[in-house]
Amino acid sequence: GAVVSQHPSRVICKSGTSVKIECRSLDFQATTMFWYRQFPKKSLMLMATSNEGSKATYEQGVEKDKFLINHASLTLSTLTVTSAHPEDSSFYICSGVAGGFYEQYFGPGTRLTVT
Amino acid sequence: AQKVTQAQTEISVVEKEDVTLDCVYETRDTTYYLFWYKQPPSGELVFLIRRNSFDEQNEISGRYSWNFQKSTSSFNFTITASQVVDSAVYFCALSELGTALIFGKGTTLSVSS
Repeated sequence: GAVVSQHPSRVICKSGTSVKIECRSLDFQATTMFWYRQFPKKSLMLMATSNEGSKATYEQGVEKDKFLINHASLTLSTLTVTSAHPEDSSFYICSGVAGGFYEQYFGPGTRLTVT
Repeated sequence: AQKVTQAQTEISVVEKEDVTLDCVYETRDTTYYLFWYKQPPSGELVFLIRRNSFDEQNEISGRYSWNFQKSTSSFNFTITASQVVDSAVYFCALSELGTALIFGKGTTLSVSS
C-alpha cells in the first residue's frame, strides 16, 4: 500500500508556542488529506479536510485560527497548532486520499505534549 | 447521519480463545465502505480490512474473519485462537465515497497468556 509519513513523531512544547506537523504522501499524490485528533483512550475525531490548493474545511468545534492547515502540494499538508495550550496535547494523525478509486492511507501519527 | 457503534469497550480473554468484536453502523447512503483498524500501544493505525457496501461476502485472513450483514447493519470481527500480540485497541470505521472515516469508540482487547 501507499505510504504516508508524519514529522515529527513526538513533540513537546511550552504553552504559548506554535508547533508545525508535516504530513507527506511518499509514493502517491494526495488530492485530499484529512487531519484527525485522538485524545488518550478516545476515538479518532476528524478535525479538518484539506484539499490541495484550496482552503481547508474544518469540523464543527475546531478553531480554524488555532489549527492552521496548509495543503500547498499534492504530497504535503501541514498542521500548525498556534499558541498551543496543555489541552491541545493529543495524538494527531493525518491521512491521504489517492486519486481515482477511493483509498485512504494513514500516517503514523504525531504525539503532541504541551507543558 | 453516519454513526459507528462499538458497544464493547473492553474485552479480556485468555490466549487461544476466540473473540468477536462487534460493530454496528448507520448510514443513509447505499454506497459506503467499512473498515477495521488495529491500534497497538505505539499509536500507529494498522489497516486490517475494507469492505464496500455491495460486497457482503464474509472474509477470512488467517486467524481473522469478518462477518458483514447489511440486514443488521453489522460488520463484526472475529479473532480465532487469540494471541498476546493481538492485544490492542480495535476500531471499526465507516465512510462514504471520498469522505473521511467515521470511527467507532474502539474496543480494547487484552489477551493474557
